[in-house]
Amino acid sequence: QVQLQESGPGLVTPSGTLSVTCAVSGVSISSSNWWSWVRQSPEKGLEWIGEIYHTGSTNYNPSLKSRVTVSVDKSTNQFSLKLSSVTAADTAVYYCTRRIVLGGNFWPGDWGQGALVTVSS
Amino acid sequence: VIWMTQSPSLLSASTGDRVTITCRMSQGINTYVAWYQQKPGKAPELLIYAASTLQRGVPSRFSGSGSGTDFTLTISSLQSEDSATYFCQQYYSFPWTFGQGTKVEIK
Repeated sequence: QVQLQESGPGLVTPSGTLSVTCAVSGVSISSSNWWSWVRQSPEKGLEWIGEIYHTGSTNYNPSLKSRVTVSVDKSTNQFSLKLSSVTAADTAVYYCTRRIVLGGNFWPGDWGQGALVTVSS
Repeated sequence: VIWMTQSPSLLSASTGDRVTITCRMSQGINTYVAWYQQKPGKAPELLIYAASTLQRGVPSRFSGSGSGTDFTLTISSLQSEDSATYFCQQYYSFPWTFGQGTKVEIK
């Protein structure tokens, strides 16, 4: 059974960098999956942030691309999100998810329980 | 960017009712649509992908249909535990995007 678990600081100061990590269990992060980040806020709803493959290939939402870095750590079976120059508008629940790839097809998969990150001084 | 119009935003129905939620895409996306259920304080849970494929463990009263621009999620016989918010998602082209949600209430 695949499980994803987010962890993060909870509170980030404006203009700082938000960092959230996702621990993956039940499957190797080097398997045929893309590892993704989605956030949810009352103002913007669900917003896809970006994803990474274990090779380091990434896809990002153009609206956030200039501020986002997604990385993978195969030694710990984790992947991470960094979002720079944050403002109150980046306050949201951050979810890690996966996109399953199999036999030339792909589809969304499991989600973590989410980590609330608040941007405030 | 592919935008979607999800409707209705709020749906109130009785247990046993058949309910339908729709998502209309701003352009054709084949069948690259997923549907999620979200209960308060919880993460979205995948119900359906590829427009009509039921995720393992999801009750058969849930079904999805559609292709191109118009998609539907149907609950054939509404149960009390189906009270939740439902979202559609397109994964045809980046950035993936989500509908604004339909809150389903039990009368």
